[in-house]
Amino acid sequence: GAGVSQTPSNKVTEKGKYVELRCDPISGHTALYWYRQSLGQGPEFLIYFQGTGAADDSGLPNDRFFAVRPEGSVSTLKIQRTERGDSAVYLCASSLMGLAGGRRTDTQYFGPGTRLTVL
Amino acid sequence: DAKTTQPPSMDCAEGRAANLPCNHSTISGNEYVYWYRQIHSQGPQYIIHGLKNNETNEMASLIITEDRKSSTLILPHATLRDTAVYYCIVRPLHGGSQGNLIFGKGTKLSVKP
Repeated sequence: GAGVSQTPSNKVTEKGKYVELRCDPISGHTALYWYRQSLGQGPEFLIYFQGTGAADDSGLPNDRFFAVRPEGSVSTLKIQRTERGDSAVYLCASSLMGLAGGRRTDTQYFGPGTRLTVL
Repeated sequence: DAKTTQPPSMDCAEGRAANLPCNHSTISGNEYVYWYRQIHSQGPQYIIHGLKNNETNEMASLIITEDRKSSTLILPHATLRDTAVYYCIVRPLHGGSQGNLIFGKGTKLSVKP
């Protein structure tokens, strides 16, 4: 079946501009996560949605970052007044939530990421 | 901060087994051990996870020590396509806000012909 998709794959913008990054999760997955990965580092958590609501946004670096998931499926990460330090790969992951036979089943499956470059 | 320690890099000959170690000495009883890998310019790919028993799937085997303070990911017959950064992650049993993955820097595995 189709995996997690993210668009665009690459985005180049100028300092101060507004950008939107889109994530289409695996169909039926209730949980959706956004991560950010800087060069040479592992991904860092930004925000987690369960359904339509943001269950944990503790990883958002500041109030220029915002994310929505209005219908509990597609999510958009929005960055206002972009800065050069926002340049990174933005990754999205989705999962089912639950336990089966006592074993955790909410494995996160990642998309290919959006490479954001702020000039 | 990541609760795991991994060597920064390892080499493996093609066709041989790759054994990737991970220390997680502060793991608690309600935490799983997860392994992901990331091939260059791609998103992380799930490999395997376990709680206390050894696990095997079509990609790899996971060996967890009896005290659960360390584990080893085994790729039985490494190929050039297994060259990637491998991440070992500990994660709580239950979901919710504790469910996000905390990545360290991982181990860069280079499989050589």
